[in-house]
Amino acid sequence: QKEVEQNSGPLSVPEGAIASLNCTYSDRGSQSFFWYRQYSGKSPELIMSIYSNGDKEDGRFTAQLNKASQYVSLLIRDSQPSDSATYLCAVKTSYDKVIFGPGTSLSVIP
Amino acid sequence: EPEVTQTPSHQVTQMGQEVILRCVPISNHLYFYWYRQILGQKVEFLVSFYNNEISEKSEIFDDQFSVERPDGSNFTLKIRSTKLEDSAMYFCASMRNEQFFGPGTRLTVL
Repeated sequence: QKEVEQNSGPLSVPEGAIASLNCTYSDRGSQSFFWYRQYSGKSPELIMSIYSNGDKEDGRFTAQLNKASQYVSLLIRDSQPSDSATYLCAVKTSYDKVIFGPGTSLSVIP
Repeated sequence: EPEVTQTPSHQVTQMGQEVILRCVPISNHLYFYWYRQILGQKVEFLVSFYNNEISEKSEIFDDQFSVERPDGSNFTLKIRSTKLEDSAMYFCASMRNEQFFGPGTRLTVL
């Protein structure tokens, strides 16, 4: 059973559109959820963290969490070409592990 | 702004040799992690370290690997008798509530 899954990419959206990225996880005891952005050849960069059910907004980014469905999502509004990267969903499990999904590659087309 | 640092940025070694990868986590963080990312693949959890001991480790983290916090600031990953398949980017991360990554060490085993 895969622990963290993400919708397979690549995902292409036009500039200015909304990009929607999804993630599911298997450990029901997980309490902390993170979205990272990774550019090619670079380390993961934290974008958002979310701990409670519902929405959390930060600028153009909105994270959504539904613990009953074991589902996390990230919306990017007004997508820019600079948003083109791989987006990683990460989950801190009921132990001390923070595990990552395989990532979704996003391409924003000018 | 505090950041996680890693040295060296690139390490080339011969198969069978030992390597030590070094990390300086953010000073008030409590959890420390090592991850591996083989080119084109996902970020893989290796080990977490809390309160001066290993708290979780993956199946990858076998007897070939060890971690230490030799002083109050450094956090090291030792790989004994390196294999070709150990070639990857190795990321250190530290966490209080959110996890931040260092820039990584690219390990090349010849």
